[in-house]
Amino acid sequence: GENVEQHPSTLSVQEGDSAVIKCTYSDSASNYFPWYKQELGKRPQLIIDIRSNVGEKKDQRIAVTLNKTAKHFSLHITETQPEDSAVYFCAASSNDYKLSFGAGTTVTVRA
Amino acid sequence: DTAVSQTPKYLVTQMGNDKSIKCEQNLGHDTMYWYKQDSKKFLKIMFSYNNKELIINETVPNRFSPKSPDKAHLNLHINSLELGDSAVYFCASSISGGANTGELFFGEGSRLTVL
Repeated sequence: GENVEQHPSTLSVQEGDSAVIKCTYSDSASNYFPWYKQELGKRPQLIIDIRSNVGEKKDQRIAVTLNKTAKHFSLHITETQPEDSAVYFCAASSNDYKLSFGAGTTVTVRA
Repeated sequence: DTAVSQTPKYLVTQMGNDKSIKCEQNLGHDTMYWYKQDSKKFLKIMFSYNNKELIINETVPNRFSPKSPDKAHLNLHINSLELGDSAVYFCASSISGGANTGELFFGEGSRLTVL
């Protein structure tokens, strides 16, 4: 089955700086790569996703890049703000009714 | 309107007891899931259902028995609760889980504490 590894497990950044989270996946058949944000005590919510026919996608301050050959994808958050503090999860799916999540990255934005 | 709702939000119970968590979605989605989030925040899939049919059982002990009476509902019954079952259980739904897998909409979670 799919195995998704995510790094780093914790990330502390100064407000206004950028944050980068990296993930690798094992199943070359995976073709859908979403990112979820989970605030403390809340449910995970989708913030951005990318499919395997696209190399990069951007939505305001967040962007995701995908390297299919290397089987890794990354989340980039620019101009971080205190409300970006949360746990971020990458995930991968190969159309098999199962979205496999990485272990999560706790992001803390220091004011 | 809550898209994915699950009840109860909190359960505190003794080892050996049986408990159920209910989940309903009003999004018209075909696919529903149960995920377990442990104390380290790891989100692990337990089950996925498509149109009431079990698709994925991710090596979950048979003390856990999901039931989907229709495609809008997916309930989880747990027998003989153990300490290790303490976690937050999230229900989720998506338009479909196969070729057009897309966004998962999660419920608020049900925090189960086994004493």
